[in-house]
This record gives sequence, structure tokens and C-alpha cells, in this order.
Amino acid sequence: QKEVEQDPGPLSVPEGAIVSLNCTYSNSAFQYFMWYRQYSRKGPELLMYTYSSGNKEDGRFTAQVDKSSKYISLFIRDSQPSDSATYLCAMSPGNQFYFGTGTSLTVIP
Amino acid sequence: GAGVSQSPSNKVTEKGKDVELRCDPISGHTALYWYRQSLGQGLEFLIYFQGNSAPDKSGLPSDRFSAERTGGSVSTLTIQRTQQEDSAVYLCASSLARTSGTDTQYFGPGTRLTVL
Repeated sequence: QKEVEQDPGPLSVPEGAIVSLNCTYSNSAFQYFMWYRQYSRKGPELLMYTYSSGNKEDGRFTAQVDKSSKYISLFIRDSQPSDSATYLCAMSPGNQFYFGTGTSLTVIP
Repeated sequence: GAGVSQSPSNKVTEKGKDVELRCDPISGHTALYWYRQSLGQGLEFLIYFQGNSAPDKSGLPSDRFSAERTGGSVSTLTIQRTQQEDSAVYLCASSLARTSGTDTQYFGPGTRLTVL
């Protein structure tokens, strides 16, 4: 079993839709949770960071962590064509980082 | 300021050849990471440097893989006797210091390696 599971998609939505991206994990020691965005032929860039359980909002992006269910989510409101990218979740117990496989998202104008 | 740079951006090599991939981290970042990204596999951790030392080499897939870092800055990942399964994008990331999971990693654009 992988440490982090993420549906690879691809996911295709119309502009303006709400997007929900999710990851599950098995290691209860994970305390730090991140979402990265990766455009084609580029390196990943940090989008959201959350420590432990709870919600965090930044503009159109909301990250949620449910440690009891070992489940994290990223919501994108009013999605834009510029949001088209691969989204990777990542998590850490405090030393090493574990990444999901990434979900490919396309926002259609 | 300048971000993490990697060279070459693309490398095509023949099976059995050795390759060297280079990473220039952000100035002042003491922690440096190498990852491998294959289609459908996500990011696979290879090795981590703190300064010039590599306390965590647990991700290197075989003894054909090695890495070094000199002067606390530039790092080179070397793959000897390349195999077709080594084909992937090799990503480098750096961070200020690996003190905890709060340390933000900044990624380079990657080197796309193709082994024929």
C-alpha cells in the first residue's frame, strides 16, 4: 500500500466550476500537509500548507485536513483556465516528504 | 531572485552510458533534495543533503545512483550504466533548512532523461 493515494484523473471542468481534489493516506504520523501545483514542463510550486487538522483558505483555494479519516482535500472556487495543471498532495511526519501521484485538471473556457 | 536551476533541461542517452544531472539551489538554502518523477508514479524521493553531507540516501534505487554536493551549493546526481527504466524527470528542490515539515521546498524545472 502506498503511503499517499491520489486519484490521477484526468479531471475536466467548465470555467467557474468548483473543483474538489482529494488524497488519502495511511501513516497517522503525518502532521504537515501540502498541495503543490505543477504546470506542464515545470517544477511543482507550493500552493497551500496546513499543519494538523482543520481548514485553511487563501483566495479561491481552500485546504481541508481530516486526520481522523486520514483524508485531505483542496477546493478551488470559480475555477479559471489558468488553474489547468497537475495538483500534487504532499505530507510529512516532520522529516521526509511523501507525494501523491498528482491529479491532472483542465478548466475549459 | 533566482530560483532553483537545473541542467540540462533534456538529456537523451543510450543504455549503458553514464549521465550527470546538475542542480543549482537558491542561494543560502542549506537543504537540497533530489526526486524522480515518472508517469503515474508521483514524486519519488531519492536523496537529501544538509550542507555537503547526505544524512538520508534511503531513496536511491540502486548503487548505480550517486550524488554529491560541494561548497554547500551545487549538487550533481550521477547515474551510471543507465537503463531504460531510469527514464524520468529528475527534480531538484531546495529549502532554507530541514528543521521540520514546515520547511518550504522550492523546485527546479527538472531534467527530462530519456534512455534509449
